[in-house]
Amino acid sequence: SAVISQKPSRDICQRGTSLTIQCQVDSQVTMMFWYRQQPGQSLTLIATANQGSEATYESGFVIDKFPISRPNLTFSTLTVSNMSPEDSSIYLCSVEGAGRGEQYFGPGTRLTVT
Amino acid sequence: KQEVTQIPAALSVPEGENLVLNCSFTDSAIYNLQWFRQDPGKGLTSLLLIQSSQREQTSGRLNASLDKSSGRSTLYIAASQPGDSATYLCAVTPRSGGSNYKLTFGKGTLLTVNP
Repeated sequence: SAVISQKPSRDICQRGTSLTIQCQVDSQVTMMFWYRQQPGQSLTLIATANQGSEATYESGFVIDKFPISRPNLTFSTLTVSNMSPEDSSIYLCSVEGAGRGEQYFGPGTRLTVT
Repeated sequence: KQEVTQIPAALSVPEGENLVLNCSFTDSAIYNLQWFRQDPGKGLTSLLLIQSSQREQTSGRLNASLDKSSGRSTLYIAASQPGDSATYLCAVTPRSGGSNYKLTFGKGTLLTVNP
């Protein structure tokens, strides 16, 4: 299994500002994923981040709102830009384990936008 | 479009009881199914992974079954303990080539085990 850490663990931000969330993995992985979990809802995939290429975004998510960086095989960042209260969610990164298609998740970043 | 449904949405049981959580999915062309646990305000912990060719997986007091043809999975928890209290999420990945990493989640079952 992979050990994943995220920073910050939580934050309270004002609308119109941006927040960058960091995700660090203890081993090299090809694909990293960013999910959003809105209050009372399940997880929704935002984008897939591969090292050395642009992230692939799911329907309903755009790069201008959620720019992603993937500078190496153990690290990624997700920025939530020009935030509004609707962006209040838990943001989680995940990675795929070797071979079996199992995914492992970080502890999440709880974002509140006021 | 794959949809995953979990029933019940919430469940409260006394300590020591055996219980079953249900998960159903609309598209049987899955690569695997994974059960997760989520504690309040926290990330997800992977509990069990069942490949599409498997019928069940066991880990300690947990047993997950998969009936792909009917689009159903169950998570059985034996001798429940207060520490089992959490939200349990079921997620599937599609068999479609090149995207068998895209998890589709259910909304989860909130389990409370009362001492």
